Amino acid sequence: NAGVTQTPKFQVLKTGQSMTLQCAQDMNHEYMSWYRQDPGMGLRLIHYSVGAGITDQGEVPNGYNVSRSTTEDFPLRLLSAAPSQTSVYFCASSRGQGTNQPQHFGDGTRLSIL
Amino acid sequence: KQEVTQIPAALSVPEGENLVLNCSFTDSAIYNLQWFRQDPGKGLTSLLLIQSSQREQTSGRLNASLDKSSGRSTLYIAASQPGDSATYLCAVSMIKAAVNKLTFGGGTRVLVKP
Repeated sequence: NAGVTQTPKFQVLKTGQSMTLQCAQDMNHEYMSWYRQDPGMGLRLIHYSVGAGITDQGEVPNGYNVSRSTTEDFPLRLLSAAPSQTSVYFCASSRGQGTNQPQHFGDGTRLSIL
Repeated sequence: KQEVTQIPAALSVPEGENLVLNCSFTDSAIYNLQWFRQDPGKGLTSLLLIQSSQREQTSGRLNASLDKSSGRSTLYIAASQPGDSATYLCAVSMIKAAVNKLTFGGGTRVLVKP
């Protein structure tokens, strides 16, 4: 069972570079979301989606873009990487509204910005 | 703004002792509350989800209670084992239409000593 798959697992970027973190789920979940986890700050919501074509901002959206063209995929784009974006990024998915189903998380992408 | 707090930040117990982990939240109008486990270098695994209308949920040695009026949830792990060593996080969802919009506590890091 694949569940939520994140790629790459590790990445080092230089300041100003752009990249896309990939997230795919094979459970036909409507809801997907991106979090970042930082020491002392816990997990914070970046962007989330409640279905294909629908996205919204979370607590810390600046510097990140998302799109949801299919149910399965929810990529996170860093437009111009900054050292403050060094973090561990987690993607999560769940079934839709009213189902009260748990969130399923990927194993994370560890990103360092030099 | 919802704030979620977990105290203590770290806990060490001998094997066999019962674990009691606390989670408090400032806004009692939650939709559900989840407890997660995170192992080092890994993603989050959902342990228990309590709906706002429920008082507790049980799974094996785990029992989670919810007191919305006081803004508290407690995770009990009976007869702890070294394999229970991990970080435990609680998270709340505020609205039915976006249950994937979670606010996390900072976590409690648990060490169970053989």
